[in-house]
Amino acid sequence: DTVLTQSPGTLSLSPGERAILSCRASQSVTSVYLAWYQHKPGRAPRLLIYGAYSRATGVPDRFSGSGSGTDFSLTISRLEPEDSAVYYCQQFESSPLTFGGGTKVEIK
Amino acid sequence: QVQLAQSGAEVKNPGASVKVSCKPSGYAFSDFYIHWVRQAPGQGLEWMGWINPKTGGTNYAQKFEGRVSLTRDTSIAAAYLGLSRLTSDDTAVYYCARAFGRSSPDHWGQGTLVRVSS
Repeated sequence: DTVLTQSPGTLSLSPGERAILSCRASQSVTSVYLAWYQHKPGRAPRLLIYGAYSRATGVPDRFSGSGSGTDFSLTISRLEPEDSAVYYCQQFESSPLTFGGGTKVEIK
Repeated sequence: QVQLAQSGAEVKNPGASVKVSCKPSGYAFSDFYIHWVRQAPGQGLEWMGWINPKTGGTNYAQKFEGRVSLTRDTSIAAAYLGLSRLTSDDTAVYYCARAFGRSSPDHWGQGTLVRVSS
């Protein structure tokens, strides 16, 4: 299985600051098969980034994805209060599809 | 508007089975795979498998092989997750989500809480 390790576990930042979330894979993942999701309590997960870099429909441009191979990142350039959530990376190149353990973003 | 409506919460005894339904709307049912993902309390997201509504073909995570069954009814455009031999470890919110072929799921259901308790 491809294990995805996300860091940090929790990020506590103020509105307007930049958040950088890391996702490291145990084996190389082709960029097209890497996605990022935002998950708020009691809500369905929301697709933010697909193909490692492409924003899903309706996602603000303060969210951006980067990386390749085994190292990927999600950057939130200017945090807003509604960005408080858990963020997951996911690979679907190999079965089983796997998710990272998540990074919790807290807004001070 | 794409929506995936899931069935309501369930409470089951250990050893029992559960069947959760997912009824998409706003797109052609057969054109998108349906994935099932669960989240246990305090845990992350865990993929269980997918079904191709057009062919009925399935792919299960090995962890659930022998206990999980993904089916669909094209006549009513609904997909189903069946899970047998339930234990307390199966207590979780179960989500269905659609994906176009080999792509990341883009629309998700609201989730169905399954609680396993004696």
